[in-house]
Amino acid sequence: SQTIHQWPATLVQPVGSPLSLECTVEGTSNPNLYWYRQAAGRGLQLLFYSVGIGQISSEVPQNLSASRPQDRQFILSSKKLLLSDSGFYLCAWSRTRYSNQPQHFGDGTRLSIL
Amino acid sequence: EDQVTQSPEALRLQEGESSSLNCSYTVSGLRGLFWYRQDPGKGPEFLFTLYSAGEEKEKERLKATLTKKESFLHITAPKPEDSATYLCAVQGYGATNKLIFGTGTLLAVQP
Repeated sequence: SQTIHQWPATLVQPVGSPLSLECTVEGTSNPNLYWYRQAAGRGLQLLFYSVGIGQISSEVPQNLSASRPQDRQFILSSKKLLLSDSGFYLCAWSRTRYSNQPQHFGDGTRLSIL
Repeated sequence: EDQVTQSPEALRLQEGESSSLNCSYTVSGLRGLFWYRQDPGKGPEFLFTLYSAGEEKEKERLKATLTKKESFLHITAPKPEDSATYLCAVQGYGATNKLIFGTGTLLAVQP
């Protein structure tokens, strides 16, 4: 069966510090990978998605970036965090063969910026 | 523009009191409509996919239905463990691989 891991579960960072959140998927190959942010009382906002190694699509202009160095690894980064970057960050995967497949989520990272 | 609206925002039920959650959508050709359950501090857990009007899916006390404009998640005789936020999402033909999420319905089932 497939599993998705995200870490850390919680993170407190000062404004202006760098960020690296990691997500890995097990039990499948060549998945589509996604990063979302969920703000309180709002729906999930898609930040980035990837259909393969080194292929990243950005949905929202911001000071965040994403990379996919390996088939089942997806990293969310920032060089300098802003207060507005606080939120709940979720990684997800889906099968690539069919485009209308559900996405499966990790348990998220709660990021607080001080 | 693809859009999803869920109602009500919050719903409080007594244990055993059946009800329905609504998901209204606007999409340029529906590839799929997805229901998720999200517990506090956790990621969404996939429940159902519906692909065409008239389709129904069931899982324990939950039943999802789909029309051309909306989907309903019917909860029959709910239990306290059904308390969670229920999210609806759609994927349209104009946006491959992208899901548009509603803001969810927070369900509380009291014993």
